[in-house]
Amino acid sequence: NAGVTQTPKFQVLKTGQSMTLQCAQDMNHNSMYWYRQDPGMGLRLIYYSASEGTTDKGEVPNGYNVSRLNKREFSLRLESAAPSQTSVYFCASTLKDNSPLHFGNGTRLTVT
Amino acid sequence: KQEVTQIPAALSVPEGENLVLNCSFTDSAIYNLQWFRQDPGKGLTSLLLIQSSQREQTSGRLNASLDKSSGRSTLYIAASQPGDSATYLCAVRKGQGAQKLVFGQGTRLTINP
Repeated sequence: NAGVTQTPKFQVLKTGQSMTLQCAQDMNHNSMYWYRQDPGMGLRLIYYSASEGTTDKGEVPNGYNVSRLNKREFSLRLESAAPSQTSVYFCASTLKDNSPLHFGNGTRLTVT
Repeated sequence: KQEVTQIPAALSVPEGENLVLNCSFTDSAIYNLQWFRQDPGKGLTSLLLIQSSQREQTSGRLNASLDKSSGRSTLYIAASQPGDSATYLCAVRKGQGAQKLVFGQGTRLTINP
């Protein structure tokens, strides 16, 4: 039972490069989320998808785009990476709002 | 605006002790509250979810309580073990929708053998 799988685990980018963070869940969950976690800032919501075919901005969406490819997959794209985007990125999913939230193991991204 | 506070930021106790972790929130009109643990370099693992209508939830050595009127939740860990060492976070859901989930900063717990 894989749960929420994120790839890659680690990534180093140069300023201006682009990349896509992948997330897939095998729990048939409806909602999926992208968070970033920074020391002293806690977890901040970047984008979320309440159901297949819908996406919405969270607290810190600037510099990111997302795609809900199907019910299982929700990707996060950085079009032109900046050092301020150095962070640990977590994907999460849930069946519905009164259900537990399940997290992946994160992607540690460094932008130089 | 809902704010979630966890004090202390770090706690160190000897093995075998019973301990309580605290989570305070400013708006008592919540939908549910969830406790997570996070091990270094890992994601968050859900421990307990308390719905607004519930007062407590139990799982093994863990017991979480919810007092909406005072804006508090506690996570009780019985007979602590070194394997319980982790950061514990609480998250309060104010309503339906991802934007309504607010996380605390966490308490870093160390259990000393």
